[in-house]
This record gives sequence, structure tokens and C-alpha cells, in this order.
Amino acid sequence: AQSVAQPEDQVNVAEGNPLTVKCTYSVSGNPYLFWYVQYPNRGLQFLLKYITGDNLVKGSYGFEAEFNKSQTSFHLKKPSALVSDSALYFCAVRLQGYGNKLVFGAGTILRVKS
Amino acid sequence: DGGITQSPKYLFRKEGQNVTLSCEQNLNHDAMYWYRQDPGQGLRLIYYSQIVNDFQKGDIAEGYSVSREKKESFPLTVTSAQKNPTAFYLCASSPSGSSNQPQHFGDGTRLSIL
Repeated sequence: AQSVAQPEDQVNVAEGNPLTVKCTYSVSGNPYLFWYVQYPNRGLQFLLKYITGDNLVKGSYGFEAEFNKSQTSFHLKKPSALVSDSALYFCAVRLQGYGNKLVFGAGTILRVKS
Repeated sequence: DGGITQSPKYLFRKEGQNVTLSCEQNLNHDAMYWYRQDPGQGLRLIYYSQIVNDFQKGDIAEGYSVSREKKESFPLTVTSAQKNPTAFYLCASSPSGSSNQPQHFGDGTRLSIL
């Protein structure tokens, strides 16, 4: 079955430190991967995607993600965390052959402390 | 600005009552989606529509119904058959059912039981 796993329910990091939010996937064929962010009582905002090409993808608000095919991972990273980055982050994979359907991970809460 | 509008923001349902959640988009997107979000479970797909007058069941369609009579509108009805409707409901759209473009999300409707 095609799935996405976010192994950490919560990640805590100090402001100014680098952050990583982990995501692993299980899909047949080439994966199309996405990261979204959600602030309280709001919808999801798109951060970045990997379709093909460079393994390091740059996105909005200084975020980037590294696609690693051998480890089936797509970890979200930022060199220097801001308090305003505190939110709920979702990794998602597009299902092949099902239009643009996405399967989401359970989400990771990021808390950045000043 | 183009976007997705969900209404109402908060909704309360009585026992045995059907309620309808509105989703309107002015992005000229062909595909639209309804998700249910519960704490710690990520987003689960209820229904999706790739084109007007056509829609398919997602992973948790039981107790829900939809219609797609217009390109810009995709209302979701939570019927009395849905025994645990308390959740945050998110509507999304994308340019087409086979696009690699990310889905765009509304700001959700929070449904509670009276």
C-alpha cells in the first residue's frame, strides 16, 4: 500500500538553530512528494514539492527538502528556525494513476522556542 | 485574489440532522476534494471530483454525499448516517485531476455535535 510516515509527533528546536522534520514514503513507481504547513484553525499552505530533478528542493519561507530515493525519505529542513515557523507540518505523496489524489502523513508539530 | 472559500467556519449539528458545508473556488480549477482532519490522523479523503458532474468516493465516504453541478462549487453534506461527524473539514482544488501542481486549500469548517 502507498503510504507516508512522519515518525515524530513533535519536534522542538531553539530559535536560530537548524530544524529537520522527517518524512518517509512507500509508493510504487516514481514518487511525487509535497510538504504543507498548517497554522491553527487554518487550511494547509503549500511549501514545496519534488517531482523530478535535483534532490534538494527549495520552497517558501526558506524551507528546503532533500529527496533520498535509497532511503525513501523526503525530510523538510531549514537552516535557521524562527518562532513563527511553529505550526503543524504535513508530508504527502501523490498516488500514481489516481488523478491528483494525495496521501498525507499524520503530521508533525514543530515548536520553535525563543 | 483567487482562492477557496469555505463556509460556515463553525457548524453545529443536532442528532438526526443533515448539514451541508459549502466550498467555492475562483481559481478555475477542474478538480476539487474534501478531506476530514482529526487530531493525530492527518487528512483523510472523503470525496473528490475531477470534472463537473462527476465525483468519486475517497477513503471514508460513508455517511457523506457531494454534488458537482458547477465547476466552482463542491458542497459536502454530512448525513445523519455519519455517527461521528465532529471534525475539521477541508476543501481543496487543483488545476486538473492529473496535474503535478499542488492542491490549494480553504480555511476549513469545524463541525461539532450539539
